[in-house]
Amino acid sequence: DTEVTQTPKHLVMGMTNKKSLKCEQHMGHRAMYWYKQKAKKPPELMFVYSYEKLSINESVPSRFSPECPNSSLLNLHLHALQPEDSALYLCASSQGKQPPGTYEQYFGPGTRLTVT
Amino acid sequence: GQQLNQSPQSMFIQEGEDVSMNCTSSSIFNTWLWYKQDPGEGPVLLIALYKAGELTSNGRLTAQFGITRKDSFLNISASIPSDVGIYFCAGLKGTSGSRLTFGEGTQLTVNP
Repeated sequence: DTEVTQTPKHLVMGMTNKKSLKCEQHMGHRAMYWYKQKAKKPPELMFVYSYEKLSINESVPSRFSPECPNSSLLNLHLHALQPEDSALYLCASSQGKQPPGTYEQYFGPGTRLTVT
Repeated sequence: GQQLNQSPQSMFIQEGEDVSMNCTSSSIFNTWLWYKQDPGEGPVLLIALYKAGELTSNGRLTAQFGITRKDSFLNISASIPSDVGIYFCAGLKGTSGSRLTFGEGTQLTVNP
């Protein structure tokens, strides 16, 4: 099973709202990622959690706040977003520090976010 | 940031034709991954390559890890309409928990 699930599928929020995106995997992976993707562009890395600790923050604005409650869950808390933050938000996971052959990242279906 | 040069940007082919796309870089990668993305969905991993010179198949798909470790190609044989989508290459330099570097994608259209 290589499934990563994300909820909600679609989200519309105003610029003053607070919302959260959720991601879950049950593959025993110890690295989890948030990406932002604009139409017809490759995913852009936002955050990486490795063994439930934030290991990479790609200079993302503080209105995006990640959280990793446990090894299976990853959240992205959203507050005071701008219309230009509208995009597909993808979660991915990969195995932790393992021998070569296990580095591939598996993506969830994404959350389509629209900021009005 | 660093990018991979993926070509072609788009392809329009007839059903049954073979397709080839490639990615090149000025630096070395230790792992090459090929993904397919349908509209409104997340990328789906097609093939993973770990060794220079490695040739790997997955059904009608074949991918190779370039001998210089700076390039990779993906071939699709006997294309069918459901092959339509955007194909991304991605390179990985380090271990799991590291950054993927993506190509800009190849938009494939298959005419029945």
